[in-house]
Amino acid sequence: DTAVSQTPKYLVTQMGNDKSIKCEQNLGHDTMYWYKQDSKKFLKIMFSYNNKELIINETVPNRFSPKSPDKAHLNLHINSLELGDSAVYFCASSHRGQGTTGELFFGEGSRLTVL
Amino acid sequence: GQNIDQPTEMTATEGAIVQINCTYQTSGFNGLFWYQQHAGEAPTFLSYNVLDGLEEKGRFSSFLSRSKGYSYLLLKELQMKDSASYLCAVPSSGGSYIPTFGRGTSLIVHP
Repeated sequence: DTAVSQTPKYLVTQMGNDKSIKCEQNLGHDTMYWYKQDSKKFLKIMFSYNNKELIINETVPNRFSPKSPDKAHLNLHINSLELGDSAVYFCASSHRGQGTTGELFFGEGSRLTVL
Repeated sequence: GQNIDQPTEMTATEGAIVQINCTYQTSGFNGLFWYQQHAGEAPTFLSYNVLDGLEEKGRFSSFLSRSKGYSYLLLKELQMKDSASYLCAVPSSGGSYIPTFGRGTSLIVHP
């Protein structure tokens, strides 16, 4: 069973379109994240969400919005796609609590190409 | 905020030992992670240090000095499959505990 799964794995679309990437985790974790990895391989946090709060990286454009229907899902919706949005987007989850390290478990990544 | 610095690229020979350094600055320390990422794949967890000293796990060891803001990942008996990017990450302070990553060190192991 896949622990953190995200779909689609590849997404090619035109500038100006709206797209979504879905993420699900079956680990029972309480926190989920979206990271963006650019062409230089820099992994940058976009959002962190648990059932209590959403933390947004202030540098993320408001065209990006996370949506969490329940604890096991954190989807990423992107409006009005731009060329610079081309990247690999990683979903991750973790469990924070006593006796845990809070390590991240990553999905396989979704490669977005904006033409 | 946090500042994490690690070398961009390193090369080493199969069977050798390599040390990948990471220096960090953070307002509150909640531990330090090392992740491995092979090309085209997701990062995977390698180690977590919260106390000073060396943590050994098979061929990989990780060291932490909180007073110096310094960590290193030590890889012994290098194998070709160890060619990957190694990412140092530090959780943010203030309760959010969000891991912030360095730019990663690309390790190339050659025969």
